[in-house]
Amino acid sequence: QQQVKQSPQSLIVQKGGISIINCAYENTAFDYFPWYQQFPGKGPALLIAIRPDVSEKKEGRFTISFNKSAKQFSLHIMDSQPGDSATYFCAASNPDKLIFGTGTRLQVFP
Amino acid sequence: EADIYQTPRYLVIGTGKKITLECSQTMGHDKMYWYQQDPGMELHLIHYSYGVNSTEKGDLSSESTVSRIRTEHFPLTLESARPSHTSQYLCASSGGGTLNTEAFFGQGTRLTVV
Repeated sequence: QQQVKQSPQSLIVQKGGISIINCAYENTAFDYFPWYQQFPGKGPALLIAIRPDVSEKKEGRFTISFNKSAKQFSLHIMDSQPGDSATYFCAASNPDKLIFGTGTRLQVFP
Repeated sequence: EADIYQTPRYLVIGTGKKITLECSQTMGHDKMYWYQQDPGMELHLIHYSYGVNSTEKGDLSSESTVSRIRTEHFPLTLESARPSHTSQYLCASSGGGTLNTEAFFGQGTRLTVV
């Protein structure tokens, strides 16, 4: 059973465009929703995170939108750059575990 | 730069051998995790720990075992390696007590069993 569902699996965006990745979760006990970025040969690194008491969080070009009633959250990358090309994972955490989505491979072309 | 280290980075080993993947962190984090990452992408939680002498199995069944004798050390052991164990293994840690905070990942160990 996939506790955190992520889509799309892959995404191709032109430089300057907006990249949008969506996630949905099942367990209402989750209380922390981070997004991780992973480059080839590296471990994932935290990009941005949100807690369920806010509906949106913005850091630079990256924004998380959070819909608690729908149990959905999304990552928006504005003005996408070739350096943003990586695999992105949403995740959800409760005091016990950190569970990841299936990942989205983003490619940004010049 | 995260202070969490995994060794070895790459390991090629024969079937039936016993192996231990090392993971150490110097951040004093209580929570530590082991993930198995498919060649495609997906990260599967296989073990986690709340602190010393605490170990729990994750969502993906694994034949590996872990121990947490010291806060900074969380090794993963396979008693008898098989080709099906070929994968990338990622270790992570997080602090914050009962409040969930950022998890820091090591660079991973890429295991190949031949």
